[in-house]
Amino acid sequence: DSGVTQTPKHLITATGQRVTLRCSPRSGDLSVYWYQQSLDQGLQFLIQYYNGEERAKGNILERFSAQQFPDLHSELNLSSLELGDSALYFCASSVGLSGPGELFFGEGSRLTVL
Amino acid sequence: AQTVTQSQPEMSVQEAETVTLSCTYDTSESDYYLFWYKQPPSRQMILVIRQEAYKQQNATENRFSVNFQKAAKSFSLKISDSQLGDAAMYFCASTSPQDQTGANNLFFGTGTRLTVIP
Repeated sequence: DSGVTQTPKHLITATGQRVTLRCSPRSGDLSVYWYQQSLDQGLQFLIQYYNGEERAKGNILERFSAQQFPDLHSELNLSSLELGDSALYFCASSVGLSGPGELFFGEGSRLTVL
Repeated sequence: AQTVTQSQPEMSVQEAETVTLSCTYDTSESDYYLFWYKQPPSRQMILVIRQEAYKQQNATENRFSVNFQKAAKSFSLKISDSQLGDAAMYFCASTSPQDQTGANNLFFGTGTRLTVIP
């Protein structure tokens, strides 16, 4: 158990819909990262938050947004969903703003868009 | 652009034998970190081993060791005495350059699927 909690574990929805994925980082970790893993692909970095502030952005679509709340949990909002958004979405946390610390990953939220 | 390349989409190894997974990376940083993560069928991402670029000594964790060649930007993973539980996707990752705010994250390769044959 990494200590990072993601909900829901599985989600099935239709094109055009909006979903919210939730992540609770490990106790004491201030950084939260979101990654997308499409089928049999590597992990693509989406966005990072540190202590409530957005700190780094990867290849995140404009239809996607995220935030980190004062209690440090984070939510990833995916809107106007398309078939290609079907993927495993990982949240990870670390203590600091930057490496070298290990990233601790949650179990992922599997999104299926029909 | 930062890249991490795993040129072996699939590998197989006999149980109890040794296998080496390859990874090359490209970075402009002088100080960075490299990682191997394991993703079993459960999909959980599990850290296998970590290497700090400024350390000459190759990292070792029990049956797992790396061959880190900084000049060649190569970071291979050797698994000794392979076990059935080692079957998984293995991802190589490197830290990205820090941006102006000091933030960075990990870049991942596309993974190598390891099959362990009983």
